[in-house]
Amino acid sequence: GEDVEQSLFLSVREGDSSVINCTYTDSSSTYLYWYKQEPGAGLQLLTYIFSNMDMKQDQRLTVLLNKKDKHLSLRIADTQTGDSAIYFCAERGLTGGGNKLTFGTGTQLKVEL
Amino acid sequence: DTGVSQDPRHKITKRGQNVTFRCDPISEHNRLYWYRQTLGQGPEFLTYFQNEAQLEKSRLLSDRFSAERPKGSFSTLEIQRTEQGDSAMYLCASSMSGGAYEQYFGPGTRLTVT
Repeated sequence: GEDVEQSLFLSVREGDSSVINCTYTDSSSTYLYWYKQEPGAGLQLLTYIFSNMDMKQDQRLTVLLNKKDKHLSLRIADTQTGDSAIYFCAERGLTGGGNKLTFGTGTQLKVEL
Repeated sequence: DTGVSQDPRHKITKRGQNVTFRCDPISEHNRLYWYRQTLGQGPEFLTYFQNEAQLEKSRLLSDRFSAERPKGSFSTLEIQRTEQGDSAMYLCASSMSGGAYEQYFGPGTRLTVT
């Protein structure tokens, strides 16, 4: 079945770059997404990448995809205290009809002054 | 566009009671999804509608759970005879068909079963 894994915690200093990593198992993945969740809130869609791309840049966010290794990363440039949150990687595969997202457990990003 | 809205935001109920949650999707979105999120975990898929048709249900959706989307707009999720294990955040999302099928989430309904 589909599985998505992320490291649990990441701590960075304000102004540095953050890199959050994700691995997935579903080889039929078509799109991969990054969401941000702040305490007590729903999920905010940050960006996504189609599986035939290897990089996508969107302002401070850069997504890298290594489809061969099934590895996805999110780089946040010039990390700010407002970036402190939990970041979820999710994949949409064709398994089971391709209608659901499978999420990782989330990476808690802490930005220190 | 006001985004996806959910009501109520919080619900505390006693074990054995029935609860119903409502989700209003983004108006032009024809797909609607329900997910459940427990503490320290990512959201888990429960069910999905395209217009008014419920097209997919997860094994997580026991017989005590039922979801409807009668006119293809808002949706309700009902849990009958609640159990303590039902305590979670219930998230609704909506999307268009096609493209990247980006799912936009509501703020969630936090259910606590005592």
